[in-house]
Amino acid sequence: KAGVTQTPRYLIKTRGQQVTLSCSPISGHRSVSWYQQTPGQGLQFLFEYFSETQRNKGNFPGRFSGRQFSNSRSEMNVSTLELGDSALYLCASSLLIGGQGSGYTFGSGTRLTVV
Amino acid sequence: QQQVKQSPQSLIVQKGGISIINCAYENTAFDYFPWYQQFPGKGPALLIAIRPDVSEKKEGRFTISFNKSAKQFSLHIMDSQPGDSATYFCAASGGNAGNMLTFGGGTRLMVKP
Repeated sequence: KAGVTQTPRYLIKTRGQQVTLSCSPISGHRSVSWYQQTPGQGLQFLFEYFSETQRNKGNFPGRFSGRQFSNSRSEMNVSTLELGDSALYLCASSLLIGGQGSGYTFGSGTRLTVV
Repeated sequence: QQQVKQSPQSLIVQKGGISIINCAYENTAFDYFPWYQQFPGKGPALLIAIRPDVSEKKEGRFTISFNKSAKQFSLHIMDSQPGDSATYFCAASGGNAGNMLTFGGGTRLMVKP
């Protein structure tokens, strides 16, 4: 059974650019959440999608956005990149909304470096 | 209100010893408390989770102890092994925080052979 797949694994972008990260959840999982992990702030929730609808959003500026497709795959977009956006972006999928049941399964993340 | 505080930040344990990591939360509406294990270059992996209707849950060498009145919960790793060396995160969700996980700051565990 394939796990959560995130692409790309590594990304280097210039300040002011925009970036799109992709996440393919475990087959059958309908909930996809995104988290940002940094040494200073730890793991912080970005948003959760379930059945193509954003169900919950964390405390991040509007430059951070996401969407979910009918096959449950999800993308997140960060526009007008800032140096502080450098982080590991993690995607997590679960069968049910909110990780109920078996909990969340995380991907290995996309390491974004903004220069 | 949403914070989860985790201690210690780092922990060194001898092989065969007991590793203990503690977390405290503020939001009394939290109703789901998982622990995650993260190895370098990997995403966090769910280790064990507990709900507040029980005070303890054990899975193999891993045990969660939960104290609802003190708003604290802890992870005990019995017979710690070098392969357990990783970063451990406690988390909480539920109530007005919704389904999002609020994570503790993490504990870097090193088990010496």
